[in-house]
Amino acid sequence: NAGVTQTPKFRVLKTGQSMTLLCAQDMNHEYMYWYRQDPGMGLRLIHYSVGEGTTAKGEVPDGYNVSRLKKQNFLLGLESAAPSQTSVYFCASSGPTGIPYEQYFGPGTRLTVT
Amino acid sequence: SQQGEEDPQALSIQEGENATMNCSYKTSINNLQWYRQNSGRGLVHLILIRSNEREKHSGRLRVTLDTSKKSSSLLITASRAADTASYFCATADMDSSYKLIFGSGTRLLVRP
Repeated sequence: NAGVTQTPKFRVLKTGQSMTLLCAQDMNHEYMYWYRQDPGMGLRLIHYSVGEGTTAKGEVPDGYNVSRLKKQNFLLGLESAAPSQTSVYFCASSGPTGIPYEQYFGPGTRLTVT
Repeated sequence: SQQGEEDPQALSIQEGENATMNCSYKTSINNLQWYRQNSGRGLVHLILIRSNEREKHSGRLRVTLDTSKKSSSLLITASRAADTASYFCATADMDSSYKLIFGSGTRLLVRP
């Protein structure tokens, strides 16, 4: 099993450009999450999904959109990138409904917006 | 805003010593989890302790939870250079136990 994978690993964008980050998991998990991590800080939740076809806002959702058309994939979009979105982005997933499972993380995507 | 706050922010110890990190949080929780992050990598789950548990062990890890003080501690015994990493506590609240709120982390350096 690959676990949680993220594409791409690195990206540099100019202000105003758009991009999509892809997260895929092969553990049949219901829940998926997108976080951002800024230097010296913990993770902050951007958006999350409690199942296929659902999405919800986290702590810092502004400037991002998400979609979960298939259970195994969770996409994070930046429509018009800003320098404040320079960060490392992590995707995570966790298990069946109703059980507090640990989260499994991908390796991260390092995004720089110039 | 972050629920869990770790203390200390950074810790440097000699190999073989014990390392203790503390986490404080603000609201009632369903469970508290600890994660490790090696430099440039994703987080890895270490241990989960539920709100009705007081202590849990896993290998060289010992976690305690004091819900009256809203605090937890992570003890790593007989530390190794490979334990060098950042350690984060994360809390899941009562209403949505699938969502975690992470603290800012403790950077641990274990000197050989």
